[in-house]
Amino acid sequence: DTEVTQTPKHLVMGMTNKKSLKCEQHMGHRAMYWYKQKAKKPPELMFVYSYEKLSINESVPSRFSPECPNSSLLNLHLHALQPEDSALYLCASRGPGEENTEAFFGQGTRLTVV
Amino acid sequence: AQSVSQHNHHVILSEAASLELGCNYSYGGTVNLFWYVQYPGQHLQLLLKYFSGDPLVKGIKGFEAEFIKSKFSFNLRKPSVQWSDTAEYFCAVGGPWRLTGGGNKLTFGTGTQLKVEL
Repeated sequence: DTEVTQTPKHLVMGMTNKKSLKCEQHMGHRAMYWYKQKAKKPPELMFVYSYEKLSINESVPSRFSPECPNSSLLNLHLHALQPEDSALYLCASRGPGEENTEAFFGQGTRLTVV
Repeated sequence: AQSVSQHNHHVILSEAASLELGCNYSYGGTVNLFWYVQYPGQHLQLLLKYFSGDPLVKGIKGFEAEFIKSKFSFNLRKPSVQWSDTAEYFCAVGGPWRLTGGGNKLTFGTGTQLKVEL
């Protein structure tokens, strides 16, 4: 199984709503990532978790709150988002490996903030 | 800080033409290099990767890339493109797991939109 599963695939939320994105992998990976991708742009790193601990936060606004409850699961809690936060949110996981490993990406959640 | 530059933003080729997409990176230390492809409406997929050893790496679907350390480059090539290669191509750079426990960045270039015409 080399899948990273993200749910939901599509989400429409109002600016006052609270919602969560979910990401799951069963490859035994111990690093998990959240990326944001706008149309025709590259993925931009938001957060990195390593061994269930937050290791990188790329100065992401607090209206995005990540959570890694266990080694297989990564959540992104959303609250009071702005229309400009509409994007494709990608989850990825990686390693460990003997030497080096690549990241595996999920299909993404297409988020629209209205 | 690590960074990746992709010089070709849009490339249009006819089927059977040869492809070369440029990628230059900046990274302090042992580097892992990747090319990912994103077909329309699909998720990012790994085309190929370089960790160490032979600087010429072969990936899926007939793609290959050459790591030239002195030029900080990792260019992607394919001798003969097909219509089905139409996609967005991203070069990415990261650090080895053994040094960071995976808690490091995977940084993407701006991408190259490839269109292959019949």
